[in-house]
Amino acid sequence: QQQVKQSPQSLIVQKGGISIINCAYENTAFDYFPWYQQFPGKGPALLIAIRPDVSEKKEGRFTISFNKSAKQFSLHIMDSQPGDSATYFCAATYKLIFGTGTRLQVFP
Amino acid sequence: NAGVTQTPKFQVLKTGQSMTLQCAQDMNHNSMYWYRQDPGMGLRLIYYSASEGTTDKGEVPNGYNVSRLNKREFSLRLESAAPSQTSVYFCASSERTDITQYFGPGTRLTVL
Repeated sequence: QQQVKQSPQSLIVQKGGISIINCAYENTAFDYFPWYQQFPGKGPALLIAIRPDVSEKKEGRFTISFNKSAKQFSLHIMDSQPGDSATYFCAATYKLIFGTGTRLQVFP
Repeated sequence: NAGVTQTPKFQVLKTGQSMTLQCAQDMNHNSMYWYRQDPGMGLRLIYYSASEGTTDKGEVPNGYNVSRLNKREFSLRLESAAPSQTSVYFCASSERTDITQYFGPGTRLTVL
């Protein structure tokens, strides 16, 4: 079964805090791991992506950590801002198997 | 440069009616996709087209058909709509299947 399991389902963070969302996959053939951000009423948009040849990728306040042996990857949002409030999806492989999403709310 | 466009934005159907969702991209991408998004289930791939002239089933193809009309356009057809097909439908495109996909704004479909 090709699945991507995402947790938590929802997350509430104080402004300035760190938001962490985790994903786990099963198929070791997966070779592309993007994170998408979706605002209400909009389509998902790529936030950051990683391939399994690196263990970490950072873009501004957003970091993906990748653990190939554990088949897990996570998104870290540093200094979380109210504007980061959205739903975040992890995904895997070339046809994009999506996780079920995490609704992030950042309160001032 | 509009990116990925979808029509209509909203649609209400009665059970058994048919309709076609339209998608077009102006980024000269080879690959196009149709997803449905349901609460608590993320996005699930219905069909995709890796390149012009090819289509393949995704995770949830039953009840749907697709047509890759040309490189720009990829349509999704519901032949006999069912309440279980109430969802938000997203079209996406990418240069090839193993890299970033760009999503349209979605079509919210309700089947009564």
